[in-house]
This record gives sequence, C-alpha cells and structure tokens, in this order.
Amino acid sequence: GESVGLHLPTLSVQEGDNSIINCAYSNSASDYFIWYKQESGKGPQFIIDIRSNMDKRQGQRVTVLLNKTVKHLSLQIAATQPGDSAVYFCAEKASWGKLQFGAGTQVVVTP
Amino acid sequence: DAGVIQSPRHEVTEMGQEVTLRCKPISGHNSLFWYRQTMMRGLELLIYFNNNVPIDDSGMPEDRFSAKMPNASFSTLKIQPSEPRDSAVYFCASSGDAKNTGELFFGEGSRLTVL
Repeated sequence: GESVGLHLPTLSVQEGDNSIINCAYSNSASDYFIWYKQESGKGPQFIIDIRSNMDKRQGQRVTVLLNKTVKHLSLQIAATQPGDSAVYFCAEKASWGKLQFGAGTQVVVTP
Repeated sequence: DAGVIQSPRHEVTEMGQEVTLRCKPISGHNSLFWYRQTMMRGLELLIYFNNNVPIDDSGMPEDRFSAKMPNASFSTLKIQPSEPRDSAVYFCASSGDAKNTGELFFGEGSRLTVL
C-alpha cells in the first residue's frame, strides 16, 4: 500500500496579524540556528539566523528568539502577508558544516 | 547572479534504471550539499563536499547512491539501480563558508519519481 506521509503542523494566520512559529531543538551543543522558508515547488530560502551567544535578533518584519535553557527557538513574522504562506523550517548546526533541519511548520495566510 | 542550478527539474523513470542528478553550485562557494526531501522523513542530508572533497557521506542511504564532485563547479548524485522508495525531491545547496555561517543556498530541486 501507499505510505502515509507525516502531516506538518499548520499555523493559520489572518493577513495583517503577527505569526509565531515555534521550534524545539534537540542538541544542547548546537551553536548556530537558521530559519528557512520553503514555498511550494521551490528550495528552502534563508530568512534569518542567530548564534547561541544571542537571545534575540531582528530582521525585516522577522524576529528570531532563542531560549537555550529550554532549547526553544521561535520566529515571529510581523504583519503577515499572503506571500508569507510557506513551510518554515528551523535548522541547528551542531558541528562544522552540517545543518539538522526540523520537520517544518506550514503557515497559511488567510485574507 | 545565478543561484544553485540543478537538473533535471523533474525525472520519471522505471525501477532498475540509473538516475543522474546534476548540480552547479554558486561560483566561489567551497561547500556543496546534497539533501533529500520526503513527506515521511523531511529534509535529510545525504552528503557534503568541501573544496571538492567528500567530508561526510553518512547520510547516503546505501551503496546504490553515489556522489561525485570532479571540480568546483559541478557535482552529480547517482542512483543505480533506482527503486520506488527513492522517489523524492533532491536538493543541492552550496555555501561560501560553512564553518562560519552555515547559511546554505538551495537550488530549486530535482523531483524524482521511480515507478
């Protein structure tokens, strides 16, 4: 029979609202974290990164928060737009040149 | 600027056939990565090269998979013989300095369907 794929967590957000996407990472030795955005039919695209010596970093309309105590990462998107609809992945780097990606969160922006 | 270029974008083949996926990294980048993406397993790192040398191939599923990087501007991922469970989207990514930033630039992917 056909395999059933995993269902990604889905976040539905109304256009104009703020989005918060959460990610729990596994390796306490990870020192670098990245958020990627993947639109349908495309490759993942870099959004923002943060090093373990920081707990917050801001970009254009996006903010990443890092809580090393509970190994938690979040991505906040301000004033969510239809173009923000995509799958968002967090990734952690535990060793030189090797990123580990999370399962991803599907963000759906509704008008 | 051209990004990472992958070919073919789509390939449909029959079980047992050889599949070759190609990648041209961003000029000047010294690290190249091959990932596989499926609904079941998400994004998996198969292998990565630094300065054309394979550094970590622990993610390569089995001997049917092989990857080469004969020069700084070209890499191939080969599956021989292919099986239906190899059906996935294969991404190539490159990085200018994986040690310091870790940021990867991904291609558009090669969607492989093995019947």
